[in-house]
Amino acid sequence: KQEVTQIPAALSVPEGENLVLNCSFTDSAIYNLQWFRQDPGKGLTSLLLIQSSQREQTSGRLNASLDKSSGRSTLYIAASQPGDSATYLCAVKGGGADGLTFGKGTHLIIQP
Amino acid sequence: DTGVSQNPRHKITKRGQNVTFRCDPISEHNRLYWYRQTLGQGPEFLTYFQNEAQLEKSRLLSDRFSAERPKGSFSTLEIQRTEQGDSAMYLCASSVQGSFDGYTFGSGTRLTVV
Repeated sequence: KQEVTQIPAALSVPEGENLVLNCSFTDSAIYNLQWFRQDPGKGLTSLLLIQSSQREQTSGRLNASLDKSSGRSTLYIAASQPGDSATYLCAVKGGGADGLTFGKGTHLIIQP
Repeated sequence: DTGVSQNPRHKITKRGQNVTFRCDPISEHNRLYWYRQTLGQGPEFLTYFQNEAQLEKSRLLSDRFSAERPKGSFSTLEIQRTEQGDSAMYLCASSVQGSFDGYTFGSGTRLTVV
């Protein structure tokens, strides 16, 4: 059974810092990996999608990497802003399954 | 089409009552998924449809839960005889089969059972 772990569970940093969120998964046979953002009480907003054949994806100040063989992904946020405060969720889509398996998320607070 | 739409946004119900939620996916998406999220946890997969066919159900989906997608467009999720443990955010997502695109999620329905 696929398990996804996100570290740290919570992170608080001053505005302007660069930061890294980590995601690990136990079964490397994935189809893709997706990073989401969730604001309190809201649904999920897709940030980046990395196919299993890709190594990284970039969107603005966000960069996500994937090392499928080691079962790891990182989300890099450059020049953090208070508006980046949210919970960040990592999810993998297995090769044989159609549902996503999520981690518990990293709760991020950017201090003004 | 502005994305995945879920209604209602919030639902408060008494224990033992039945509730029904609706999801309208992106129109060209033929796959539709239901997830449940409790506080402090990531979403958990419940079930998914490809067009009108329900192809997979999680063991989390007890016999009190039923989902339909009668015409391959919108979907409903019904919970019968609600229990306090059913209190959660119910999320709907859609995607295109075989596409390299990811999932698009709705804003969810927050259920509180009192």
